[in-house]
Amino acid sequence: GQNIDQPTEMTATEGAIVQINCTYQTSGFNGLFWYQQHAGEAPTFLSYNVLDGLEEKGRFSSFLSRSKGYSYLLLKELQMKDSASYLCAVRDGGTYKYIFGTGTRLKVLA
Amino acid sequence: DAGITQSPRHKVTETGTPVTLRCHQTENHRYMYWYRQDPGHGLRLIHYSYGVKDTDKGEVSDGYSVSRSKTEDFLLTLESATSSQTSVYFCAISPGLGIAGRNEQFFGPGTRLTVL
Repeated sequence: GQNIDQPTEMTATEGAIVQINCTYQTSGFNGLFWYQQHAGEAPTFLSYNVLDGLEEKGRFSSFLSRSKGYSYLLLKELQMKDSASYLCAVRDGGTYKYIFGTGTRLKVLA
Repeated sequence: DAGITQSPRHKVTETGTPVTLRCHQTENHRYMYWYRQDPGHGLRLIHYSYGVKDTDKGEVSDGYSVSRSKTEDFLLTLESATSSQTSVYFCAISPGLGIAGRNEQFFGPGTRLTVL
């Protein structure tokens, strides 16, 4: 079956670092995506990993281990505006279908 | 920002009535998707399109139909709305630049549908 797991909720302090984990079991794999979604808004693209390793983009980094079916999103120097849901998604094999996890709601406290 | 709009943005309807949601893009992207988002379930794929008149089912397609007669428009129809179809509906587009490409999705603003 297809399954993507993420923690439901996390809390962190402004200025800190937080790591959001995602594990997946899918019939095929052709890339892992992270999206940010503020309450009441549409998801927006954050990062993409298709090969093992770390991808860094400013305060945000994403890591992938295909052999372990595991990814994480690392957010550094947290700001209040980072309070949002973070969605992990996998593109299925040789298709253009995407499977989403249920999302992790991050609360950043002052 | 990708040019993608959804209409209507909000709709309240009664059980048993037909409803059509529209997604319109100005990016000339090949792939278009309809998702529903519900608490505890995340984004679930209803249907997607990989070209004009080419569509395929997603994981929650029962009770929904779609049509794509032009590249820029993707319509989602609820033939006879039920209360279980109360949800937020998102349209998304993706360029389809070959299977090795990044091909991230760009999402529309969403439609909040309430079925009474």
